[in-house]
Amino acid sequence: AQTVTQSQPEMSVQEAETVTLSCTYDTSESDYYLFWYKQPPSRQMILVIRQEAYKQQNATENRFSVNFQKAAKSFSLKISDSQLGDAAMYFCAYRPYGGSQGNLIFGKGTKLSVKP
Amino acid sequence: DAGVTQSPTHLIKTRGQQVTLRCSPKSGHDTVSWYQQALGQGPQFIFQYYEEEERQRGNFPDRFSGHQFPNYSSELNVNALLLGDSALYLCASSYGGRYGYTFGSGTRLTVV
Repeated sequence: AQTVTQSQPEMSVQEAETVTLSCTYDTSESDYYLFWYKQPPSRQMILVIRQEAYKQQNATENRFSVNFQKAAKSFSLKISDSQLGDAAMYFCAYRPYGGSQGNLIFGKGTKLSVKP
Repeated sequence: DAGVTQSPTHLIKTRGQQVTLRCSPKSGHDTVSWYQQALGQGPQFIFQYYEEEERQRGNFPDRFSGHQFPNYSSELNVNALLLGDSALYLCASSYGGRYGYTFGSGTRLTVV
C-alpha cells in the first residue's frame, strides 16, 4: 500500500525567508502524481503545486517550487519569500496515475508558522 | 463561478444517530470524493462517486454510505454514529476523477 510521510509536524520561518517542507512516499508504481495542499484555518484544501512523476523537471508556481527525487521517493516543497498568509497546515499527497484511481493519499501534515 | 459547496458547516449529533452531509461540486465537475479528517491528521479517503455509482472505496465500514444525484451533487450518510466519527468531512470534486481536485470547506461533525 502506498504511504506518505511528513516528518516535520511543525516548522517556523521568518517573513521574507525561505523554508523547505519535507515529504517522502512509498509506492511500487512508476507513474503517479504528487501534490502539496495548503489548509488554512478556513479548512478548505487549496492546491499549491502538482508534479507528474514522469516529468523530470521540478514544478514551480510563483514562490513555490518542489524538489522531486523519484529514486529517493522524496518530494519537498520550498517556499521562497515567505509571507504571513503562507501560515497554514501543508499536506503532501500522492495519487496513482490513470484509470479510475481517484483517491488522494495524504501525509499527516506540517504546520507552518510565519513570524513577522 | 461557485466552487465546492458543503452543508451544513457544523453539526452535533448523539451517539447512535444517523447523519447526512451534502456536497455540490464545482461547475463542470462530475466526480465527487469524500474524505474524513480527524483532528491533527491528514484526510482519509472514504469513497468516490462517478456517474451516480460508487467507483472506489477506502477502508471505511458499511456504516458509511453515499449517493450521487443526476446533477452530480452528492450525499454522505453515516449510520449508528460513534464518538470516533467526530471529524471534519471534506468533499472534493473533479472532472472524470482526474487531477485538479477542488475541495470544499468541509462539515465539522461532533458526536457526543
